[in-house]
Amino acid sequence: DAKTTQPPSMDCAEGRAANLPCNHSTISGNEYVYWYRQIHSQGPQYIIHGLKNNETNEMASLIITEDRKSSTLILPHATLRDTAVYYCIVRASSGNTGKLIFGQGTTLQVKP
Amino acid sequence: NAGVTQTPKFRILKIGQSMTLQCTQDMNHNYMYWYRQDPGMGLKLIYYSVGAGITDKGEVPNGYNVSRSTTEDFPLRLELAAPSQTSVYFCASIGLANTGELFFGEGSRLTVL
Repeated sequence: DAKTTQPPSMDCAEGRAANLPCNHSTISGNEYVYWYRQIHSQGPQYIIHGLKNNETNEMASLIITEDRKSSTLILPHATLRDTAVYYCIVRASSGNTGKLIFGQGTTLQVKP
Repeated sequence: NAGVTQTPKFRILKIGQSMTLQCTQDMNHNYMYWYRQDPGMGLKLIYYSVGAGITDKGEVPNGYNVSRSTTEDFPLRLELAAPSQTSVYFCASIGLANTGELFFGEGSRLTVL
């Protein structure tokens, strides 16, 4: 019962921007969009999160549509080390945040 | 801070045996989670807790039990281990502050033969 849907896999050329989409059409007003990635069998790593506005940090940019029903994670200059499974989840900012459901994620393959 | 610590890292069990996976965090986080990850698959939520004394079922709770007697500890108990419970288990925690960072342990690889 994941609240998000993502394509199962994507390829990207090294040095190019990787754009990973996520649909969250049932998102509530107090729910943030979070992105994590998992490299090999390590625990997932936090990347970025946002509510309404676009966000940028040293790792990535997050673009959220005006209706908040979808978002895109952008890795501006993908490297081979960005090959990983990327997860998009939604989570309330306060109160009982309850379940954190990850879904299947998108496997990003960065190719030389 | 040590973050989230899981023990053991590896364990082999025989069918029908029981064991407890330990998870401890030293960040005073309220929310803690147990996930399992089968090969080539995503993370499945087993149980979670929003604070000491409060636990609730996730997506795949059957065959597992948890307790949360303290803020720091969130052990996962496997009763009557079955081959279907062969998986990598991750414990995670997150604080009340909306930093977004879900802290994960290194994982516990369990094989049931």
